[in-house]
This record gives sequence, C-alpha cells and structure tokens, in this order.
Amino acid sequence: EAGVTQSPTHLIKTRGQQVTLRCSPISGHTSVYWYQQALGLGLQFLLWYDEGEERNRGNFPPRFSGRQFPNYSSELNVNALELEDSALYLCASRVDRGTDTQYFGPGTRLTVL
Amino acid sequence: AQSVAQPEDQVNVAEGNPLTVKCTYSVSGNPYLFWYVQYPNRGLQFLLKYITGDNLVKGSYGFEAEFNKSQTSFHLKKPSALVSDSALYFCAVRSALGSSASKIIFGSGTRLSIRP
Repeated sequence: EAGVTQSPTHLIKTRGQQVTLRCSPISGHTSVYWYQQALGLGLQFLLWYDEGEERNRGNFPPRFSGRQFPNYSSELNVNALELEDSALYLCASRVDRGTDTQYFGPGTRLTVL
Repeated sequence: AQSVAQPEDQVNVAEGNPLTVKCTYSVSGNPYLFWYVQYPNRGLQFLLKYITGDNLVKGSYGFEAEFNKSQTSFHLKKPSALVSDSALYFCAVRSALGSSASKIIFGSGTRLSIRP
C-alpha cells in the first residue's frame, strides 16, 4: 500500500511570491491534514479537509488556504510569502474516523528568501 | 481546551539503557493519545496509540507507553535503547468527546539522543 505522497520535495521562493504544495492521501483515506513545522518548533496545525470540505483551521492568516479534490488529494496555497513561512510542510491522511490516527507524508521543505 | 506538554526538549541515554520520554496532557473527557517519531528530513511515523483498555500499549520498534489517568500522563518507554532510536518524538492528544471535528494537538517534541 502506497503511503501519503507530497510534492515537491523542496522549493525555494522569494518574498511576495505564491506557492502551491500538493498531497495525495493513502488510498481510501478521505481526510487530509496540513501542518507547518518551522525549524526548532513543533507541529502547528494548518488545515483539515474531509470529503472535500474544510472542517477546521489553525491560527494562520488567510493567505494560507487550500482545497481538497474529488479524489481526496489536496493542495495548500500560500500567498504573499514571508520569510517566516520557511518551514517543512507536512500532510497527513486519516484511516480511522473514530480515533484520528494520522499517517504522514515526507513533507515539502519550503525556503523563502 | 486541549493541551499536551513534553517537558524535556532533549533526552540523552546510553545505548542499552532504558529510556523514557515524558508526556502529560489535558483534555475534556477521555483522551486518545498518540506517539509519533520523526527522523531527520522525514515526515512523522506513527508509533503507538492509546484509545481504551490496557494502560500499557505496545508499539513499533520495541516502544511502549503507559497511560496514567490520575497523573494525566502517557510516557513513552523502551527497555533497551538503540543508537538508531535517536530522533524527534512527538506526543499528541485528542478528546474522545464531541464529533470528529476536533483536532489532534501535538506536543513540542523531545529530541532523543542515544550515545554508543
């Protein structure tokens, strides 16, 4: 069974640019979560999508947005990039609705210069 | 409000010795508790979870965790550490109450370093 996949692996952008990160969940998983892991910090919850709908959102500005497609893959968009957006962005999908066990992808490393 | 605390930023253990990584939590109602491990430049890997039942939960790579309701703790343990266990460990919690709209809260992480 293939795991959660994310693309691209690495990305370098400059301040003010826009970026789109992609995530494909494990087959059969309908929920996708996005997290930001800045250097030296823990995981900060960004967004949760389930069945194509945004279900919950973390404490991030509106320039962080996303969507989930009918095949349950997801995109995370970040507009007007700032230096502090440099981080590892992790996507996770969920198999167990009752307990929320999440399985993570390898992440996308975003560097903003 | 839900919260989870990992009081130690770093834990250093000699290979072959037992290890403990601490986690305490606060939730309304009963907790669902998780441990994840992150190796350098990798995503998080699921280690184990507590939902209900036996307070001692066994997981991957020889790790186990003990749920202690009175102390609201879920410490990760291993009887004999390996150098390959060196990684960043995250504890996470979710309340069993409410709908699935509630989200998991992750701790700040504990870096485990095993010296040969």
